[in-house]
Amino acid sequence: DTAVSQTPKYLVTQMGNDKSIKCEQNLGHDTMYWYKQDSKKFLKIMFSYNNKELIINETVPNRFSPKSPDKAHLNLHINSLELGDSAVYFCASSQRGGSYGYTFGSGTRLTVV
Amino acid sequence: LAKTTQPISMDSYEGQEVNITCSHNNIATNDYITWYQQFPSQGPRFIIQGYKTKVTNEVASLFIPADRKSSTLSLPRVSLSDTAVYYCLQLYKGNMLTFGGGTRLMVKP
Repeated sequence: DTAVSQTPKYLVTQMGNDKSIKCEQNLGHDTMYWYKQDSKKFLKIMFSYNNKELIINETVPNRFSPKSPDKAHLNLHINSLELGDSAVYFCASSQRGGSYGYTFGSGTRLTVV
Repeated sequence: LAKTTQPISMDSYEGQEVNITCSHNNIATNDYITWYQQFPSQGPRFIIQGYKTKVTNEVASLFIPADRKSSTLSLPRVSLSDTAVYYCLQLYKGNMLTFGGGTRLMVKP
């Protein structure tokens, strides 16, 4: 069973559209994250979220919003997509206070045209 | 944010031992050193973590000197499948994992 799963794996959409990427983890972790990897392969943290707090990287535009229906899911919603949003988005999870290891999903490649 | 420095790229041949060194001059007392591996089209994968001296697991060894201002990831007898990007990170419990540029390791036949 996949520990952290993201859907879709590929997403091609037009500028101005609104889209969502879903993430689910079955590890029982209490914290989930979204990362963005751009064309230069730098991985940047976007959000950290558990049932107590949301930490937002201040450089993330407010067009991006995480939504968590429960502790096993953290979806990423993006409004008014722009060309510069094209990247690979990774979801991850960890257990605060326990192991320091993060488990990452396999990524969603978003292409905005 | 804590910042680490590591070589942008390295080349090696199958069967060789590869050592990737990372500098973390501003490491704090409570920081751990963590290494991740990322293959193309995949998310990063945890390899090894340590605080000081030496840590070894089935994948790699991690050497951290007494001053903890650097660390060396050692991959014994690499194979073509070890071609990947390797990230060195300082991690304080409860903080978000912050990646640098990583080291692109190319293993050649």
